[in-house]
Amino acid sequence: NAGVTQTPKFRVLKTGQSMTLLCAQDMNHEYMYWYRQDPGMGLRLIHYSVGEGTTAKGEVPDGYNVSRLKKQNFLLGLESAAPSQTSVYFCASSYSRQTRHEQFFGPGTRLTVL
Amino acid sequence: AQTVTQSQPEMSVQEAETVTLSCTYDTSESNYYLFWYKQPPSRQMILVIRQEAYKQQNATENRFSVNFQKAAKSFSLKISDSQLGDTAMYFCAFMKLSGGSNYKLTFGKGTLLTVNP
Repeated sequence: NAGVTQTPKFRVLKTGQSMTLLCAQDMNHEYMYWYRQDPGMGLRLIHYSVGEGTTAKGEVPDGYNVSRLKKQNFLLGLESAAPSQTSVYFCASSYSRQTRHEQFFGPGTRLTVL
Repeated sequence: AQTVTQSQPEMSVQEAETVTLSCTYDTSESNYYLFWYKQPPSRQMILVIRQEAYKQQNATENRFSVNFQKAAKSFSLKISDSQLGDTAMYFCAFMKLSGGSNYKLTFGKGTLLTVNP
């Protein structure tokens, strides 16, 4: 049982490049979330999904897109990276009733945009 | 919209002593959860403790306990017998349960706790 995994763990991009972050969970959770963590800002919600084939915007969605084609995977895309997107990105998943709303987090991806 | 405020950016405590981290929140909701998450230097987010708003009894998990004051919208975390492994960033988080909340978390900015030997 791997829990929540994220790929890659580190990445350096140049301004304007694109990339996709992959989140995978093996707990059959319905809900998945993408957060970004910046110094002094806590974690802020980018996008989330309440089930396969659904996505919705969070607090800071600009510059990001997401897809949930399979229940176990949640992809975060940056079409044209900007230095302001330098951050640590966390994926989380949950299945509210059975786990009393606990969100399980992946190990994070540190992204640097030059 | 809900807001979560952690007024102590940094704190330190001696090993074996007790420390309390503060958290206040602003909401008009009556049905919600509150959480404390820990983030050690490894960066992994770990749930420390949770509190259901409808429960009057304060949650406890071993050395960790909360003081939940619903009317004052306060949710502090007390760590007893502090250990070196408690050194971490601690985040307070709010989750609305009603009205299609989709169980999203709203985090505070965090308190960096250092336990000194």
